[in-house]
Amino acid sequence: AQSVTQLGSHVSVSEGALVLLRCNYSSSVPPYLFWYVQYPNQGLQLLLKYTTGATLVKGINGFEAEFKKSETSFHLTIPSAHMSDAAEYFCAVSEGGNNRLAFGKGNQVVVIP
Amino acid sequence: GAVVSQHPSRVICKSGTSVKIECRSLDFQATTMFWYRQFPKKSLMLMATSNEGSKATYEQGVEKDKFLINHASLTLSTLTVTSAHPEDSSFYICSARTSGRWNEQFFGPGTRLTVL
Repeated sequence: AQSVTQLGSHVSVSEGALVLLRCNYSSSVPPYLFWYVQYPNQGLQLLLKYTTGATLVKGINGFEAEFKKSETSFHLTIPSAHMSDAAEYFCAVSEGGNNRLAFGKGNQVVVIP
Repeated sequence: GAVVSQHPSRVICKSGTSVKIECRSLDFQATTMFWYRQFPKKSLMLMATSNEGSKATYEQGVEKDKFLINHASLTLSTLTVTSAHPEDSSFYICSARTSGRWNEQFFGPGTRLTVL
């Protein structure tokens, strides 16, 4: 079964700083990878996803993640943190098209003014 | 587009009662819906997968008699927590998938259940 590892539950950054959230996955077949954001007491919103093709995936507001098969990773980069980026970020993996998502434990990002 | 709603957003109930949570796809037909449970400061745990018109598939360790799932139409799935106990208190989130965008799930806003 697929699984995701996200290290460092809390990440504190200064406003304007670059944020790197690490995600490593395990999958027996080519994975589909996702990053979601969750604001307090809300559901999840998709930030970006990798299925096939270009390994560098770009989302809104400059968010991007790169799929590295050799490292089984899909790290998320926030180029310049804003106060509005303070939230919980989850990495998830599904094994191809089975659509059953396995989530990492999440990273709580705190942005310090 | 691709909006999923949940109702209620919060519910408080007494131990031993049953609670029903609704998940609706508002602007698309959801061929598959998923139910997740999220504990405080924890990740989401997939509870079950339901396809319209068929029985739900439960993940290992999830009691199907405890968490009743019905997916009676292409826009509605319900989760009923039967004989709720305090340990069932959690944040329940549904998601929906449509055949046109099969590799993406659209998440509802979640339901906070508190069992006293």
